[in-house]
Amino acid sequence: GAVVSQHPSRVICKSGTSVKIECRSLDFQATTMFWYRQFPKQSLMLMATSNEGSKATYEQGVEKDKFLINHASLTLSTLTVTSAHPEDSSFYICSARDLGQGNTIYFGEGSWLTVV
Amino acid sequence: KNQVEQSPQSLIILEGKNCTLQCNYTVSPFSNLRWYKQDTGRGPVSLTIMTFSENTKSNGRYTATLDADTKQSSLHITASQLSDSASYICVVSRSGDYKLSFGAGTTVTVRA
Repeated sequence: GAVVSQHPSRVICKSGTSVKIECRSLDFQATTMFWYRQFPKQSLMLMATSNEGSKATYEQGVEKDKFLINHASLTLSTLTVTSAHPEDSSFYICSARDLGQGNTIYFGEGSWLTVV
Repeated sequence: KNQVEQSPQSLIILEGKNCTLQCNYTVSPFSNLRWYKQDTGRGPVSLTIMTFSENTKSNGRYTATLDADTKQSSLHITASQLSDSASYICVVSRSGDYKLSFGAGTTVTVRA
């Protein structure tokens, strides 16, 4: 079964609104989670590294004020897309690292965001 | 330039046939290499993970090889099934900070 759960799996929102995506590690504690964006037929692009109890580390070119990341507990990280625009429509995926399993990386099922 | 290059970009094979996907990387220092299967619209699922000392690892009909000297890996799919149709992604982890580098993936289409 899934060890990393993402919610919602699909969401449609209006331009200008904000939407939150949750990423939970189900069977382990994840001090580090990762957020990716994937466009159709392209590879995953790392957006940011989420560290429990501290600020996220964003990749170059990713607006931290637009993509707010919060890692408030060892099992939950959230990505909030603020003031969403149609160009933010994409597939967002999170992953979590299980230090107890040799740094195995588990991916969530992904969240489809459509901004209309 | 991407530190992980995969080839071919896509391939089509007939059900029951075998195929091999390639992954070349320049990530250094090397920690481990993973192969993932990603169905369209789903999150990647791990197939294999290999460290420096491992040359081959199997997971059912999937067999991955690693040559850490030449920095090459391959994923061999045996007796392909329609359900093998997916994108296969090679991911290399850097030692120390465990930063992941992703290949662009190989899209495999299995036809009856």
